[in-house]
Amino acid sequence: DAGVTQSPTHLIKTRGQQVTLRCSPKSGHDTVSWYQQALGQGPQFIFQYYEEEERQRGNFPDRFSGHQFPNYSSELNVNALLLGDSALYLCASSPIRQGASGANVLTFGAGSRLTVL
Amino acid sequence: AQSVTQPDIHITVSEGASLELRCNYSYGATPYLFWYVQSPGQGLQLLLKYFSGDTLVQGIKGFEAEFKRSQSSFNLRKPSVHWSDAAEYFCAVGPAGGTSYGKLTFGQGTILTVHP
Repeated sequence: DAGVTQSPTHLIKTRGQQVTLRCSPKSGHDTVSWYQQALGQGPQFIFQYYEEEERQRGNFPDRFSGHQFPNYSSELNVNALLLGDSALYLCASSPIRQGASGANVLTFGAGSRLTVL
Repeated sequence: AQSVTQPDIHITVSEGASLELRCNYSYGATPYLFWYVQSPGQGLQLLLKYFSGDTLVQGIKGFEAEFKRSQSSFNLRKPSVHWSDAAEYFCAVGPAGGTSYGKLTFGQGTILTVHP
C-alpha cells in the first residue's frame, strides 16, 4: 500500500519564478494538507483541501495557492518566489470522514525540497 | 493562539541510556497531542498520539509519552535508546473539536544524537 508520494523531490528556482509541487495521498484518504518546513524549524500549516476546495488556511500569503483533483491528488503553487520560500514542502493526507480521531492522524510524504536562488 | 515549545534543541545520549524529550503546549482546550520523528531526507513518521483516556500512551519503536494536563506537557520517553533512534523529534498539537481537523501546530523540534 503506497503512502503519500510527492514530486519532484528537489528543485531549484530563481526569485520571481513560479513553482508547482504535486502530491498523491495515501489510498483511502480524501483530505490533503500542505506544510512548509524551513531549515531548523517545525512544519507550518499552509492549507488543506477536501472535496476539491480549500477547507482551511494558515498564515500564508495569496502567492501560495493549491488545487485538489477528483482523484484526491493535490498541487501546491507558489508564485513570485522569494528567497524565504526556500524550504521543505510536506504533503500530508488523512481521512476526514473518520471524524476528529481519524482526520487528525496525518500521513506525511517525504517532501519536496525547494531552493530559491 | 496555540503554541508548542520544545525546550531542548539538541540532546545527546549514549546508546542504552534512557531518554526524555520535553514538550509543553498552550491551547484553548484539551488538544490532541502527537509526537513525530523525522530522519534526514525523510518525511514525518507518527510515533504516538493522545486523544483521551489513559494519560500514558504507548507508541512504535518502544516510545511512550505521558500527558500531564496540570503542566500542559506531553513528554516523550524511551527506557533504552538505540543508535537508530538518532533523528529529529517533533511534538504537535491539533484540535480535539470543531472543524480544524488536520491543522497541526508543531514545535521547533529536538535533534537527538546517539553516541555508541
